[in-house]
Amino acid sequence: AQSVAQPEDQVNVAEGNPLTVKCTYSVSGNPYLFWYVQYPNRGLQFLLKYITGDNLVKGSYGFEAEFNKSQTSFHLKKPSALVSDSALYFCAVRDPGGGADGLTFGKGTHLIIQP
Amino acid sequence: DAGITQSPRHKVTETGTPVTLRCHQTENHRYMYWYRQDPGHGLRLIHYSYGVKDTDKGEVSDGYSVSRSKTEDFLLTLESATSSQTSVYFCAISFKDSPVAPGELFFGEGSRLTVL
Repeated sequence: AQSVAQPEDQVNVAEGNPLTVKCTYSVSGNPYLFWYVQYPNRGLQFLLKYITGDNLVKGSYGFEAEFNKSQTSFHLKKPSALVSDSALYFCAVRDPGGGADGLTFGKGTHLIIQP
Repeated sequence: DAGITQSPRHKVTETGTPVTLRCHQTENHRYMYWYRQDPGHGLRLIHYSYGVKDTDKGEVSDGYSVSRSKTEDFLLTLESATSSQTSVYFCAISFKDSPVAPGELFFGEGSRLTVL
């Protein structure tokens, strides 16, 4: 079975500093990996995904993520945090051989950017 | 805009009553999903559908049923609501209509259900 771990419930970063939100995964084959963001009282918005190819993936709003197969990680990063980046972030994984049964999500990490 | 509409957006009900949540999509996508979101648990898959009248169970399907009589609508029913089903429910669709496609999911705005 596939699973995702987000080890930090909350990450605090000062505005302008780099940020990292951690994610590790477990899947039987080569994973498809995703990051989503959720603002209060809204649905989840897609940020970026890794399917194959370059290990560094760039996405929306200046975010990027690095796929590390040996460490089974897919950490979300941004060089310079904005207060508006404060939100709940979810990492998700899909086993490409898993058929139509959607994505498996982590428990989420609250990102708080302090002015 | 993925063209997903959930209704109702908010509902308060009493234990033991039936509840139906509706997900409507305008873009004729084959794959639709129901998730619930709870603090400390992230999103967990309840049921999904891969076509009209084709549905299957997810991780937390007990106490829930679904129906899909036409492509655009995917209904989630709680036959007899319990307090443990108080949650925010999200519908999602997949843009890549292939069972092995890596398509990301696109989500509706959620339906907040409170069971008293």
